[in-house]
Amino acid sequence: EVQLQQSGPEVGRPGSSVKISCKASGYTFTDYVMNWVKQSPGQGLEWIGWIDPEYGSTDYAEKFKKKATLTADTSSNTAYIQLSSLTSEDTATYFCARWVPGRSFDYWGQGVMVTVSS
Amino acid sequence: DIQMTQSPASLSASLGETVTIECLASEDIYSNLAWYQQKPGKSPQLLIYYANSLNDGVPSRFSGSGSGTQYSLKINSLQSEDVSIYFCQQNYDSPWTFGGGTKLELK
Repeated sequence: EVQLQQSGPEVGRPGSSVKISCKASGYTFTDYVMNWVKQSPGQGLEWIGWIDPEYGSTDYAEKFKKKATLTADTSSNTAYIQLSSLTSEDTATYFCARWVPGRSFDYWGQGVMVTVSS
Repeated sequence: DIQMTQSPASLSASLGETVTIECLASEDIYSNLAWYQQKPGKSPQLLIYYANSLNDGVPSRFSGSGSGTQYSLKINSLQSEDVSIYFCQQNYDSPWTFGGGTKLELK
């Protein structure tokens, strides 16, 4: 069974960074691109970017190029997103989601709530 | 970026009714469209991919259609468990973009 298990809620001070994880199981981690999606409170969904765990290649939405850094550890089948220079605009739930060409995001993590507060 | 416009933003319907949600792309996305269902406090779940293909395990009362820039999600015989927010998403061209969502409630 495919599962994407994300880390717990985070609280970050303005200007700081947080790093959240997404541990994959039930499939070959390097066979699928992992994406990250942001959902602000009561709002819609925004695509942040993807990482190909096999090669480490990444692509980001323009808006998130200076905000997010995607990495992956193939030894632990875990993808990470680091959010830097936190502001109140970064308060949101962040999801990881597996990408399948033609199917889009077929499996999602449970989401991680990031709260930016002083 | 391709803009995805969903309508209506909210919808109230009775059990057993048929509902339709529309999604309009700002350019031709060649059927590269997915629909997701998101229940409160949960992650989105894939319902439909490539405009009209039902994802594994999704009830057959859900169906998708459309082409070019216009797409729709239809739910036949509405059930109580269908109360959710529904999103469309294009995966034709990066950055992948989502519609604003349709909140479906029971009347």
